[in-house]
Amino acid sequence: DVKVTQSSRYLVKRTGEKVFLECVQDMDHENMFWYRQDPGLGLRLIYFSYDVKMKEKGDIPEGYSVSREKKERFSLILESASTNQTSMYLCASTGGGTDTQYFGPGTRLTVL
Amino acid sequence: AQSVSQHNHHVILSEAASLELGCNYSYGGTVNLFWYVQYPGQHLQLLLKYFSGDPLVKGIKGFEAEFIKSKFSFNLRKPSVQWSDTAEYFCALEEDSNYQLIWGAGTKLIIKP
Repeated sequence: DVKVTQSSRYLVKRTGEKVFLECVQDMDHENMFWYRQDPGLGLRLIYFSYDVKMKEKGDIPEGYSVSREKKERFSLILESASTNQTSMYLCASTGGGTDTQYFGPGTRLTVL
Repeated sequence: AQSVSQHNHHVILSEAASLELGCNYSYGGTVNLFWYVQYPGQHLQLLLKYFSGDPLVKGIKGFEAEFIKSKFSFNLRKPSVQWSDTAEYFCALEEDSNYQLIWGAGTKLIIKP
């Protein structure tokens, strides 16, 4: 079974703090994604990566950056957290010829 | 722009009722279509997917979906729902097999015991 893990289930940060969200997958998938999930808006793609050190902007990249130094790990960085970044963050991976995205449990981030 | 529309944000049904959740998309090219489900407190997981071939696709837990190209629709159905089907359901579109998904807003389904 594919396993996608995220570093924290719940996180509370203050406005202006730098925030790191980590995602690790164990299936050697090439593609990894960061989404945010907000009620009534579904999932919106922030960034994705199709290989180590490669990244592409999604639909809402503003205020975020990412890092993929190793194939199994994809990090989302909020350089200076703001209250409108309070959300559920989901990581997903896919690869090996399958289009099915496998999701982590999510990190619920609250920015005060 | 490509988009996915789910008609109902909230659906409340009694056990044993039949279910149909609507999903329409806008994209003129080749599409792959997915339904994902998120049970309370659990990961998002794949329910079923359509890539090609038979437009009636069967998934886990008795769910099925029908791809109707002329209507740009991919509605999810289940003949008799159970309390354990309470979850949020998301329809998603992948265009031209590029691994990126475009998501609907989701439908929260509540089944009354």
